[in-house]
Amino acid sequence: DTEVTQTPKHLVMGMTNKKSLKCEQHMGHRAMYWYKQKAKKPPELMFVYSYEKLSINESVPSRFSPECPNSSLLNLHLHALQPEDSALYLCASSHIGREKLFFGSGTQLSVL
Amino acid sequence: AQKVTQAQTEISVVEKEDVTLDCVYETRDTTYYLFWYKQPPSGELVFLIRRNSFDEQNEISGRYSWNFQKSTSSFNFTITASQVVDSAVYFCALRATSGSRLTFGEGTQLTVNP
Repeated sequence: DTEVTQTPKHLVMGMTNKKSLKCEQHMGHRAMYWYKQKAKKPPELMFVYSYEKLSINESVPSRFSPECPNSSLLNLHLHALQPEDSALYLCASSHIGREKLFFGSGTQLSVL
Repeated sequence: AQKVTQAQTEISVVEKEDVTLDCVYETRDTTYYLFWYKQPPSGELVFLIRRNSFDEQNEISGRYSWNFQKSTSSFNFTITASQVVDSAVYFCALRATSGSRLTFGEGTQLTVNP
């Protein structure tokens, strides 16, 4: 199994909603990542988890709250988002210290 | 600081043409990795290649080839005999050996027309 699975594929939410994005991998990777990608732009790193602990937070607003409940799962909890947060959210994973990231297909988020 | 520049925003070719995607990078790190990723319309970033900074051997994989020139800080990607399925956004990326951050270029949208 060499896949990173993200759900849902599409999400529309209002500014007062609370929602969560989910990411799962079964490759034994202990590093997991959240990236944000606006249209026609490269992905931007948001968070990195290493061994289920948050190791990098790229100064992301607190309305985005990551969680890594176990070595296979990564969540991104969303609350009180703004329309400018609309983007493709990509999850990735890798072995610790290894360079090759495996990406999921992303969640296309629209905030109304 | 690291920077990756992909000067070609969009390229359009006809099927079977060869096409080269340019990538120039800047880094103060003495050791680093360079990557190419493909992003088709489905959204998933697909890993194509990784190159260590101390390994300047060029690489060929089927119709794909990569030319790494440390002297000019370039890591160019050539697709030979392009196909419609090659249509995608291609990202060049850089990462320090000791780091976790992957710095992406702005991407090149390649369209291969039948």
